[in-house]
Amino acid sequence: EAGVVQSPRYKIIEKKQPVAFWCNPISGHNTLYWYRQNLGQGPELLIRYENEEAVDDSQLPKDRFSAERLKGVDSTLKIQPAELGDSAVYLCASSLVRLAGIYNEQFFGPGTRLTVL
Amino acid sequence: AQSVTQPDIHITVSEGASLELRCNYSYGATPYLFWYVQSPGQGLQLLLKYFSGDTLVQGIKGFEAEFKRSQSSFNLRKPSVHWSDAAEYFCAVDSPNQAGTALIFGKGTTLSVSS
Repeated sequence: EAGVVQSPRYKIIEKKQPVAFWCNPISGHNTLYWYRQNLGQGPELLIRYENEEAVDDSQLPKDRFSAERLKGVDSTLKIQPAELGDSAVYLCASSLVRLAGIYNEQFFGPGTRLTVL
Repeated sequence: AQSVTQPDIHITVSEGASLELRCNYSYGATPYLFWYVQSPGQGLQLLLKYFSGDTLVQGIKGFEAEFKRSQSSFNLRKPSVHWSDAAEYFCAVDSPNQAGTALIFGKGTTLSVSS
């Protein structure tokens, strides 16, 4: 079974340029997460989707970040314009739908390492 | 606020020696607890988890962890470290009441293995 797929794996851009990351979750996983991992830190949630709905985007910097999951499968995370402080690893994770009393493990992709010059 | 503390930023262990990585959490109740490992260029892999019951949990790759409620700790252990264990290790918590919302991670501990 294929895991969570992310592309590109690496991206180098100049500040003020736009950038987009793509994530394909594990087949059948309704819940999709985007995390950001700064150097020397643990991942922090940016946004969580259940199917097409963004159910938690409270930590997403909405002035420059946007995300979409139009058909409830693949997702794209965009930054426009990028700033130096956006350099980080962007991780996508997916899990089965959350049900009361049942914990479904989050499976992580390899991440996209963004460098903003 | 919920938080996870991993006091050790970097640990070096000789191959074959035992390992203990520390994790402390701050939470209103007993959360779900996890240890993940991240190798260079790889995604996070779940080593083990604790929800309830037996406080000593076994995971993959020979790892185990012990939950101590009185100390709000969930330390990771391995009796004999292999060179392939060199990686970044993250402790994380999740809410039992809203499980699957978002994991809260510590800052991680980098493990180096010397020969």
